[in-house]
Amino acid sequence: EVLLVESGGGLVQPGGSLRLSCVASGFTFSSDAMSWVRQAPGKGLEFVSAVSGNGVSAFYGDSVKGRFAISRDNSKNTVYLHMKNLRAEDTAVYYCAKWPNGYFDSWGQGTLVTVSS
Amino acid sequence: SYELTQPPSVSVSPGQTASITCSGDRLGKQYACWYQQKPGQSPMLVIYQDNQRPSGIPERFSGSNSGNTATLTISGTLAMDEADYYCQAWDSSTVVFGGGTKLTVL
Repeated sequence: EVLLVESGGGLVQPGGSLRLSCVASGFTFSSDAMSWVRQAPGKGLEFVSAVSGNGVSAFYGDSVKGRFAISRDNSKNTVYLHMKNLRAEDTAVYYCAKWPNGYFDSWGQGTLVTVSS
Repeated sequence: SYELTQPPSVSVSPGQTASITCSGDRLGKQYACWYQQKPGQSPMLVIYQDNQRPSGIPERFSGSNSGNTATLTISGTLAMDEADYYCQAWDSSTVVFGGGTKLTVL
């Protein structure tokens, strides 16, 4: 069974930084691309970022380009989202999701990031 | 930027067929997929690559994609199918979600 467990969310001031982590189990981690998707309170889903299985390729949603960076450590079965220069509009639940071939087939429970002074 | 458009809400009676549409420019040239999200829960994939069901998804869920429109069809809708549904598509560098459709079973 695939299990994805996110952590690292919390309250951060505007302009601050935060690092989210997602530990994966139940599949061959290095074989699949991984991603982050977020959902603002009461809103829909928004793609944030994805990284290839070997960590070489990554891409981002337009709203986070230049501020967020995704990385992974295949020795730890973990994917990270490094967020800087956070804004109020980044407030959301951030989901880690497995992304094998253009679709998100397994999701974590999410971690809440609140950007507020 | 590429956009996918869904109706905000769809209503269906129990046992009837619900259809939720997702429109985008030349959407039929890409693969579309669908997610179900119930209140307080994470999204769950119900259809991928236009019409494929993941393991464990009931047969009453089906999908199609042609022209500019992808459609999620739920046959014999049950009360437990009441949820938000999101379509999603991607090309080489863009992942896009539709705005979501609230399915009400009444």
